[in-house]
Amino acid sequence: GENVEQHPSTLSVQEGDSAVIKCTYSDSASNYFPWYKQELGKGPQLIIDIRSNVGEKKDQRIAVTLNKTAKHFSLHITETQPEDSAVYFCAATQPYSSASKIIFGSGTRLSIRP
Amino acid sequence: NAGVTQTPKFQVLKTGQSMTLQCAQDMNHEYMSWYRQDPGMGLRLIHYSVGAGITDQGEVPNGYNVSRSTTEDFPLRLLSAAPSQTSVYFCATGRWTGTSLEQYFGPGTRLTVT
Repeated sequence: GENVEQHPSTLSVQEGDSAVIKCTYSDSASNYFPWYKQELGKGPQLIIDIRSNVGEKKDQRIAVTLNKTAKHFSLHITETQPEDSAVYFCAATQPYSSASKIIFGSGTRLSIRP
Repeated sequence: NAGVTQTPKFQVLKTGQSMTLQCAQDMNHEYMSWYRQDPGMGLRLIHYSVGAGITDQGEVPNGYNVSRSTTEDFPLRLLSAAPSQTSVYFCATGRWTGTSLEQYFGPGTRLTVT
């Protein structure tokens, strides 16, 4: 079955710098890769996603890239701000899949230093 | 539009007690699911439903029951609580966009079993 690995588990960056979180997946049939942000005491919130027919997607300060050949996808946050501090999860899913095929990474705790 | 609501927010149970975690949505999504989140372990799927009257097991279903009598509600029942079920529980809804399932999470229920 699908396996998603996420790195690093913790990340601390200076405010204004960029942050990058990387994930790898194992099943080449996976075609949808969402990213979630989870703030303390809240549920995960979908912040950006990418489908396998696209190599890069950007939404203001966040962007996601996908390398299907290497089975890598990454989240990039530029000009980081204190409100970006949270835990970020990547996930991978397969087309028309049942929920059991939606696999999450283990999460990255991002801290923004003032 | 409240999105996904969960009750209670916090619960303490004694070993062997039973209880029901409530989840309701007003987004008219056919898909609903329950996850548990343990420290350092991301999100693991317990049960899910692709529509009223239909439920299925996820990764970690043992000790939990679900039912889906309406589109709006998807309660999770703990039959005989165990300390291993101490966790944060998230309910999520989902909508299909093309071939992919976008998921939206509730705020969570923090359960402690003593």
